[in-house]
Amino acid sequence: DAGITQSPRHKVTETGTPVTLRCHQTENHRYMYWYRQDPGHGLRLIHYSYGVKDTDKGEVSDGYSVSRSKTEDFLLTLESATSSQTSVYFCAIRSGEGTDTQYFGPGTRLTVL
Amino acid sequence: SQQGEEDPQALSIQEGENATMNCSYKTSINNLQWYRQNSGRGLVHLILIRSNEREKHSGRLRVTLDTSKKSSSLLITASRAADTASYFCATDAGGSEKLVFGKGTKLTVNP
Repeated sequence: DAGITQSPRHKVTETGTPVTLRCHQTENHRYMYWYRQDPGHGLRLIHYSYGVKDTDKGEVSDGYSVSRSKTEDFLLTLESATSSQTSVYFCAIRSGEGTDTQYFGPGTRLTVL
Repeated sequence: SQQGEEDPQALSIQEGENATMNCSYKTSINNLQWYRQNSGRGLVHLILIRSNEREKHSGRLRVTLDTSKKSSSLLITASRAADTASYFCATDAGGSEKLVFGKGTKLTVNP
């Protein structure tokens, strides 16, 4: 998994509560990404980061915020979780400036009741 | 919106047979990639083909790219039960630092 860890791996929470997912990488890659994966939709980009404190929105960013205060950590926050945010969340890194290949973490399964 | 769309959505074959999956996309690209996802795991990069390439091989994988038709195919030869997984194409949408993934083809290889 290219030195990428995600925590927690599983979480069950209630509607309206804040949730933060963490992605940690050990190889100093500049680009990091958060995706969600849902049946029938494939993988969709939520937010991504191209450096410390540099982030941008993806296709499905509403209801999510991110922060990157240091190179190795990229946090995804659901300010007020909704049932529609029940999903599997994947973090990924881009392996280098001259390539578009991404390496994925193991995923976090989030259930919002 | 999805850039890449895989076809078929699901494919079931016997061990030893070849498996072919197709991907169509909408806008110009610099490259197209294929990824595999085993159940409950993250995606794993398989192969990248650049827009100026027509065919690329890696082991039992053969990828073709037809930019005039905006389509790609992934062929897995002599399939094994361990090839059972979902396969996704991803495009860079013309040089963006983002990838856009299709919805995937679920391949089942029966022993």
